Amino acid sequence: SQQGEEDPQALSIQEGENATMNCSYKTSINNLQWYRQNSGRGLVHLILIRSNEREKHSGRLRVTLDTSKKSSSLLITASRAADTASYFCATDEGGSNYKLTFGKGTLLTVNP
Amino acid sequence: DTAVSQTPKYLVTQMGNDKSIKCEQNLGHDTMYWYKQDSKKFLKIMFSYNNKELIINETVPNRFSPKSPDKAHLNLHINSLELGDSAVYFCASSYPAGIKETQYFGPGTRLLVL
Repeated sequence: SQQGEEDPQALSIQEGENATMNCSYKTSINNLQWYRQNSGRGLVHLILIRSNEREKHSGRLRVTLDTSKKSSSLLITASRAADTASYFCATDEGGSNYKLTFGKGTLLTVNP
Repeated sequence: DTAVSQTPKYLVTQMGNDKSIKCEQNLGHDTMYWYKQDSKKFLKIMFSYNNKELIINETVPNRFSPKSPDKAHLNLHINSLELGDSAVYFCASSYPAGIKETQYFGPGTRLLVL
């Protein structure tokens, strides 16, 4: 079964607006990560949040984690056209040391 | 300067052929991975290697055979290619889990089986 499920599947906003993406997972985790994939490129790591953390910031990114609801959100503030990409959450499903399980991703389009 | 590199970038081939994809990382990582991303962008782990040893084989058909000649390389050989093998294949690397879990991805190899 798929571990991470992002919603929405697609999000279109105007430059300067905030974008919020959500991710839900099924099993226990040690950490949850968010990655970005620009069209036709590989994935780039954005941020990692551990299971004992509730919120983490990195520049314009804010990630929250609610382990009781098995969910996480990624907020991108003051979005830019360059933020246009697919965003994936990934978990170490069941605390696996060598396996990341990815969700289906949210395609974010930021219109100039 | 490329941290994780893959060759070739594009691969178009006929059903039944055998092909290889090469991956190299210059980050000094001990752990390497192969992922498959389908047409719906779903990314799924195929293999994990740590220090040249196979750690995870995620129910991948045995037509797929990874080979790790050293810690910096993890190649993927595919026998008897099928239409369903068409996808983008990503190599990634990381430090061993428990140290830093961030994975660094290559640019991908776009495989099209005709």
